[in-house]
Amino acid sequence: EDQVTQSPEALRLQEGESSSLNCSYTVSGLRGLFWYRQDPGKGPEFLFTLYSAGEEKEKERLKATLTKKESFLHITAPKPEDSATYLCAPTAGGTSYGKLTFGQGTILTVHP
Amino acid sequence: DTEVTQTPKHLVMGMTNKKSLKCEQHMGHRAMYWYKQKAKKPPELMFVYSYEKLSINESVPSRFSPECPNSSLLNLHLHALQPEDSALYLCASRGTPYGYTFGSGTRLTVV
Repeated sequence: EDQVTQSPEALRLQEGESSSLNCSYTVSGLRGLFWYRQDPGKGPEFLFTLYSAGEEKEKERLKATLTKKESFLHITAPKPEDSATYLCAPTAGGTSYGKLTFGQGTILTVHP
Repeated sequence: DTEVTQTPKHLVMGMTNKKSLKCEQHMGHRAMYWYKQKAKKPPELMFVYSYEKLSINESVPSRFSPECPNSSLLNLHLHALQPEDSALYLCASRGTPYGYTFGSGTRLTVV
């Protein structure tokens, strides 16, 4: 059975204090791993798609990396506006094709 | 147009009411999804439509009835809901290269 575990559940940072979020997954036939940001009461906002181990993608203060068992979202010099819930979601092939299975999310709070 | 539009944004309904949620996209995506999200939980998949045909139903109760009239439109018909069905209902569509695009959701309250 596919499993996705995100850690930590919550993370409090001071503005400028860099850190990383973890997404561990067990998925047969991984087709891609997605990272989303979600603000309270809003729909998830797409950040990155990673397709193969070793792949890295960057966007402003965020950098996502992928290995065969986990993905990291690195946040460099965060700002208060980076506060949100960050969700990872691997997607597989076969009968699970097209399904996103979300992790529980990491609630990030960045204090000024 | 790179958005998924959901209406209404908020809905309050009684347990005997019938209502519908609407989702629209004009990105040419041929896969569309309904997700349910409870407070402080991740989105949970309900239904998947692929090329206007229902391809995945995650054992959702029959009081939720999806419909895909055309490639741009997805509806979720609601009937005889329970208070525990109160949640944020999210619509998404899938296409390359942007992956899955989510709407802002409909906040549903069942009283």
